[in-house]
Amino acid sequence: SQTIHQWPATLVQPVGSPLSLECTVEGTSNPNLYWYRQAAGRGLQLLFYSVGIGQISSEVPQNLSASRPQDRQFILSSKKLLLSDSGFYLCAWTGQHNYGYTFGSGTRLTVV
Amino acid sequence: AQSVTQLGSHVSVSEGALVLLRCNYSSSVPPYLFWYVQYPNQGLQLLLKYTSAATLVKGINGFEAEFKKSETSFHLTKPSAHMSDAAEYFCAVTLYKYSSASKIIFGSGTRLSIRP
Repeated sequence: SQTIHQWPATLVQPVGSPLSLECTVEGTSNPNLYWYRQAAGRGLQLLFYSVGIGQISSEVPQNLSASRPQDRQFILSSKKLLLSDSGFYLCAWTGQHNYGYTFGSGTRLTVV
Repeated sequence: AQSVTQLGSHVSVSEGALVLLRCNYSSSVPPYLFWYVQYPNQGLQLLLKYTSAATLVKGINGFEAEFKKSETSFHLTKPSAHMSDAAEYFCAVTLYKYSSASKIIFGSGTRLSIRP
């Protein structure tokens, strides 16, 4: 069966520090991968999505970037964190012929 | 472009009462529609989905939703609320058939509280 792993679960980082969040999917190949952010009291904002290795689409201009170095690995990064980067980050995947996402358990990022 | 509107950011019902969470969508082509549930500090879990088959869709935990094209609605219901239903619920839409990326657009969410 397919599983999605996301880590770390919780992260506290100072302003100006770098960020790397990792997401991996097991049990499938060539998934579509997504990064969402959920700010406190707000809905889900699509940040990036990828339909293949090295193929990244950005939905909103911001302080973050994403990479997909391997088929089932999706990384969210920042060179210098801002206070406004705080939030709950969710990774998700879907197959080429499925409907609906499967989400990871999320990373709570607090920038101090 | 497609979008979803969830009416009511917070809904409170008594245990055993009917749960009704409202969702209206906007789409220029037939959409796929979803309801997700999120418990505190967890990811989202798929409750149910409409993919152009039966208009009444049954999901997990006793929830169901009915796709009404004439009303552009996809409201979520449960006949009898349980304390464990307290969570955030998100309605979502995608034009999967028309987009290889299968992007899903989420509503702003409705927090469901259950009174003892």
